[in-house]
Amino acid sequence: AQSVSQHNHHVILSEAASLELGCNYSYGGTVNLFWYVQYPGQHLQLLLKYFSGDPLVKGIKGFEAEFIKSKFSFNLRKPSVQWSDTAEYFCAVNTNFGNEKLTFGTGTRLTIIP
Amino acid sequence: DADVTQTPRNRITKTGKRIMLECSQTKGHDRMYWYRQDPGLGLRLIYYSFDVKDINKGEISDGYSVSRQAQAKFSLSLESAIPNQTALYFCATSEPGQGARDNEQFFGPGTRLTVL
Repeated sequence: AQSVSQHNHHVILSEAASLELGCNYSYGGTVNLFWYVQYPGQHLQLLLKYFSGDPLVKGIKGFEAEFIKSKFSFNLRKPSVQWSDTAEYFCAVNTNFGNEKLTFGTGTRLTIIP
Repeated sequence: DADVTQTPRNRITKTGKRIMLECSQTKGHDRMYWYRQDPGLGLRLIYYSFDVKDINKGEISDGYSVSRQAQAKFSLSLESAIPNQTALYFCATSEPGQGARDNEQFFGPGTRLTVL
């Protein structure tokens, strides 16, 4: 079975700092990859997704992620974070097309200090 | 005008009680899911349903049951609640994927359940 690892459990940054959150998955075949965000007290929302094509994916709110197949990674980046980016971020992978079962990572809590 | 709604939003109950959490959606999606979220564990799939006649166990189905009453409704039941079922529960929906395309899941606002 596939698994997803997010090694950063809690990241604290100052506003305007650059962000990179790690995501690694274990599956040797074709994957779909997602980053979801959960703002305090809210439900999960999709930030961005990768299905195929350009491995650099741009999402909402200035986020982007790069799929590196050789490293089984899909790291999330943002060049300059804002206080409003404070949230929990989840990486997820789908490996059974037509099935849509997502496997989630354990999440990374991001705290931005004004 | 939320597309995926969950009731109740918060619930406190006692060990041994039967609890039902409800999920409704107006997105017209065939596929619905129940997850639980625990600190440090992320989201784990409890049950999922691809249509009204199709119910499947997820990775942590023990102690839970579900009912798909209609395309728009998917209920999660705890027959006899226990404290380690205290968690945040999310319902989600999706459309059938067309190959590798567009299988995003849409989440409800969550139900916070506390079992004393």
